[in-house]
Amino acid sequence: GEDVEQSLFLSVREGDSSVINCTYTDSSSTYLYWYKQEPGAGLQLLTYIFSNMDMKQDQRLTVLLNKKDKHLSLRIADTQTGDSAIYFCAEIVNRDDKIIFGKGTRLHILP
Amino acid sequence: KAGVTQTPRYLIKTRGQQVTLSCSPISGHRSVSWYQQTPGQGLQFLFEYFSETQRNKGNFPGRFSGRQFSNSRSEMNVSTLELGDSALYLCASSPLNLQGGSGNTIYFGEGSWLTVV
Repeated sequence: GEDVEQSLFLSVREGDSSVINCTYTDSSSTYLYWYKQEPGAGLQLLTYIFSNMDMKQDQRLTVLLNKKDKHLSLRIADTQTGDSAIYFCAEIVNRDDKIIFGKGTRLHILP
Repeated sequence: KAGVTQTPRYLIKTRGQQVTLSCSPISGHRSVSWYQQTPGQGLQFLFEYFSETQRNKGNFPGRFSGRQFSNSRSEMNVSTLELGDSALYLCASSPLNLQGGSGNTIYFGEGSWLTVV
């Protein structure tokens, strides 16, 4: 079945780059998304990438997609304390017309 | 423009009761989808409505139901509540259905925190 996997925790020093990785299983996925969730809040759409793209950059965020390996990553440059949150990777499963989320990666910023 | 609005934000119910949650999508968005978020299971897709029709449904029992009105507002209902239904229920809206088209973006509300005691 469809599955999206992410590591659960990541600690990064303030000012360094954070790289959050995600693997997915459905080859028919058309869109892959990154969402950010701060404590007590809903999900904030950070960025998305279409499956025919390899990379997308948006200010401090860079998304890389390796379709062959079904691997997606989110790089946050110059990580700041405000980046502390849970980051969810998600894919649209085209066949079933639904969205599947990973369990989320909790990003912890070290001073 | 206003974002996705969910009401109520917090509620407490007892086992056996039923609950209705409401979601107002971003103006112009026709798709509303619902998700359950729990610490153990993460985010799970409940169902999606597009133009008042349920397009697809996740793996949840029939106690979970929903509907969408002509103004795209949606409600979700859970009957005969169980302790395990305690969760954050998130609603999302998008201009197109989830299968979507170029640049379809899905925006989430702040969620409704349901506690079943």
